[in-house]
Amino acid sequence: SQTIHQWPATLVQPVGSPLSLECTVEGTSNPNLYWYRQAAGRGLQLLFYSVGIGQISSEVPQNLSASRPQDRQFILSSKKLLLSDSGFYLCAWSEDRGPYEQYFGPGTRLTVT
Amino acid sequence: AQSVSQHNHHVILSEAASLELGCNYSYGGTVNLFWYVQYPGQHLQLLLKYFSGDPLVKGIKGFEAEFIKSKFSFNLRKPSVQWSDTAEYFCAVKPKAAGNKLTFGGGTRVLVKP
Repeated sequence: SQTIHQWPATLVQPVGSPLSLECTVEGTSNPNLYWYRQAAGRGLQLLFYSVGIGQISSEVPQNLSASRPQDRQFILSSKKLLLSDSGFYLCAWSEDRGPYEQYFGPGTRLTVT
Repeated sequence: AQSVSQHNHHVILSEAASLELGCNYSYGGTVNLFWYVQYPGQHLQLLLKYFSGDPLVKGIKGFEAEFIKSKFSFNLRKPSVQWSDTAEYFCAVKPKAAGNKLTFGGGTRVLVKP
């Protein structure tokens, strides 16, 4: 069966510091991968998605970037964190064909101080 | 771009009460529809889904949802809730012709009092 991992679970970082959040998927190949930010009362905002290695689509302009160095690895990064980057970040995967239902990881709670 | 509206942000009810959460979307074409649930401290997980066929779909834990195409709605229901149904519920829509991205509603927090 497929599993999705995210780490770290929680992170506290000062403003201006770099960020690297990692997501890996097991038990499937060539998945579509997604990064979301979840804000209270605002649902899930799609940040990035990837349909293959090195292929990244950005949904919103922001201080973050994403990379996919391996088939089942998805990384969310920032060179310099802002206070507004605080939030709950979720990684998800789906099959590479319809109907594209998504399966979510446990999330990372990021607090920028 | 399509949007998804969940009009109730917070719902409080007692055990054994019936639950109905509204979900409306704005997209004129064929869609896939989903309800996800996030229990306190747990992963977001799929509750039920609609792709085609019978517009009344049944999911886990006694939940069901009805797709009404003419109303662009996919409301979630449970006849008798339990304290363990306390969670946040998210509706999501994926137009069939629009690739692999889901659009989520803002979520509804449900508190079931014992």
